[in-house]
Amino acid sequence: DAGVTQSPTHLIKTRGQHVTLRCSPISGHKSVSWYQQVLGQGPQFIFQYYEKEERGRGNFPDRFSARQFPNYSSELNVNALLLGDSALYLCASSLVGSEYNEQFFGPGTRLTVL
Amino acid sequence: AQKVTQAQTEISVVEKEDVTLDCVYETRDTTYYLFWYKQPPSGELVFLIRRNSFDEQNEISGRYSWNFQKSTSSFNFTITASQVVDSAVYFCALSEIDQTGANNLFFGTGTRLTVIP
Repeated sequence: DAGVTQSPTHLIKTRGQHVTLRCSPISGHKSVSWYQQVLGQGPQFIFQYYEKEERGRGNFPDRFSARQFPNYSSELNVNALLLGDSALYLCASSLVGSEYNEQFFGPGTRLTVL
Repeated sequence: AQKVTQAQTEISVVEKEDVTLDCVYETRDTTYYLFWYKQPPSGELVFLIRRNSFDEQNEISGRYSWNFQKSTSSFNFTITASQVVDSAVYFCALSEIDQTGANNLFFGTGTRLTVIP
């Protein structure tokens, strides 16, 4: 079975631009979460979506937004990019309702802001 | 508030040595989950283990073992007879379930393990 997939793999943008990152969950998973991992740090939670509804939001500015589609795939949008947005963006999917609560991560999108 | 502390930033061991990675957590919830993930140079986070707050049994899986102690809020990870392929960054994480059912993961800063051949 295919795991979590993310696109693109790498991305280079300049300050002030907008970026859209995409994620497809594991088949059957209805929840998608987004994390930002700055170099040398652990991943930081950005958003979680379930059944197209936002379930949770981390401490990120309104420049960050996301949505989930009927097929449970998701997009993360970041507006007015700053140098500090350079990071590995990880998507994770999970089976909500499962006792075990595991999140399975994709390979990430590495965003560089110049 | 939730917090996960991995005090060891980097550890180097010689192949076949045992190594323990420390994890201390803080939470106000009585129900929570603890995890360990491995992040090889490729960047993808690989799930290793999950533990819920009501199960303090230690677990062994091959060369890996985990020691969960609620009394000290610790969830330590030991690799026995380390191998070069174990070289990676290891993250400890905590998950609480809020009223909406969200199960966000709170990660520590990670421990970079280097196994020297």
